[in-house]
Amino acid sequence: EVQLVESGGGLVKPGSSLKLSCVASGFTFSSYGMHWIRQAPKKGLEWIALIYYDSSNKYYADSVKGRFTISRDNSKNTLYLEMNSLRSEDTAMYYCAKAGPHGDWFAYWGQGTLVTVSS
Amino acid sequence: DVVLTQTPSILSATIGQSVSISCRSSQSLLDSDGNTYLYWFLQRPGQSPQRLIYLVSNLGSGVPNRFSGSGSGTDFTLKISGVEAEDLGVYYCMQATHAPLTFGSGTKLEIK
Repeated sequence: EVQLVESGGGLVKPGSSLKLSCVASGFTFSSYGMHWIRQAPKKGLEWIALIYYDSSNKYYADSVKGRFTISRDNSKNTLYLEMNSLRSEDTAMYYCAKAGPHGDWFAYWGQGTLVTVSS
Repeated sequence: DVVLTQTPSILSATIGQSVSISCRSSQSLLDSDGNTYLYWFLQRPGQSPQRLIYLVSNLGSGVPNRFSGSGSGTDFTLKISGVEAEDLGVYYCMQATHAPLTFGSGTKLEIK
């Protein structure tokens, strides 16, 4: 059974940093790209980053480019999102989601981890 | 960025009624590889999003066949043939043809 478990969220002050993790199980993690998607309170979904299976390519939404870094450790089956210079508008539930072959993307999501940026 | 416009924003339905949600894109979602990367999700209250449809019309594993997707180019539709109580929540379309990936603003399905 595919499982994605996010962690690392919490309450932080504006300007600070935080690193989220997403531990994957139930599939060959090193074979698939991975996404981060977030959802601000009472708002819609926003895609923020994608990393290829071998870390060869990374893509970001403009809203986080230059502040957030997506990475992965295939030996640990873990996806990361390093977030710097956090702003109040980064307050959201952060989800990781699995890519798949031939456009079969987003079949699996984690339960999310909540990041609150507030003074 | 590609803008996805979903209509209606709120949909009220009775059990057994068939309903449709529209998703219109500001650009064609047909990719150079021949695929159209248009997805549909349902987010039930308090839960993570669940994928319903991928590549316009492919039903996700375990998704009831009362859900169906159709469309091409810039116009797409999700149809629920016989709404059930468990279908309440917010429906989102999403495109992955053009970077950055973008979501529609959502359609809230309420059960009368």
